Amino acid sequence: QSALTQPPSASGSPGQSVTISCTGTSSDVGGYNYVSWYQLHPGKAPKLIIYEVIKRPSGVPDRFSGSKSGNTASLTVSGLQAEDEADYYCSSYAGSNPFFGTGTKVTVL
Amino acid sequence: QITLKESGPTLVKPTQTLTLTCTFSGFSLSTNGVGVGWIRQPPGEALEWLALIYWDDDKRYSPSLKSRLTITKDTSKNQVVLTMTHVDPVDTATYFCARRRYTSTWYFDYWGQGTLVTVSS
Repeated sequence: QSALTQPPSASGSPGQSVTISCTGTSSDVGGYNYVSWYQLHPGKAPKLIIYEVIKRPSGVPDRFSGSKSGNTASLTVSGLQAEDEADYYCSSYAGSNPFFGTGTKVTVL
Repeated sequence: QITLKESGPTLVKPTQTLTLTCTFSGFSLSTNGVGVGWIRQPPGEALEWLALIYWDDDKRYSPSLKSRLTITKDTSKNQVVLTMTHVDPVDTATYFCARRRYTSTWYFDYWGQGTLVTVSS
C-alpha cells in the first residue's frame, strides 16, 4: 500500500486559514470514509484531530475541519493560532492495515 | 483518563533484537473493538505503521516488516510488547504505541509520547 500524498509544507499568518490535502486512491480515500488526521508536536504525544473524514473528537477546537472530494481528503485549520504550528498526517486503511500520509509541516508566520 | 507509555532500550546494536513495551491505563484490551498498535517515525521522516493487536488476539503486521516483527499482549498487565529482530541503523526511529478504536471506522485515538531508539554499533 503506497503512502497517501500530502504537500510537504503549508503556512499562514495568525487568524488566517490553511488547508492541507491528502491524496489517495479510489480503494482507500475515495472509496470509504476511512480518513483520520493527526497533529504532531515535537516531544509530545500525537493527537487525533479528525476521524471518519469530518468528525472531531471531544476537546478538539472547531477551528479544525475535515472534508473529502473524490480521492482527496483535506484538513482545514481556520483562525490559525501559534500552537497550530505542527506536523500533520492523514491516515487511511486498506483491509485491516493502516497507512499514513507523507506529512505536512504547518508554519504559523 | 487513557494513557499509553512506551519503554525499552534507547540504544541497540545492529543484528540484535529490539523489545519494546507499551504500558497503558484507562481501558482494557479485552474490550470489543479495541486494539493497540505500534507506529514509528525515523528522524525527519514520515510515520510508518508497524503492527496491531486486537482484543480478540487478532494480529496484523506491516507487509514490509512482517518477517521481523512479533506483537503480543498481556491483558492482565495492560501491556503490549513488540519485538523486532535483526535491527539495522535504518530502524533508528521514535517508536509510538497507540490505542486503535472502532466506532464506525478504525482510528488511533490515544497515543504515547514515543521512545527514541537508536541502532548503532
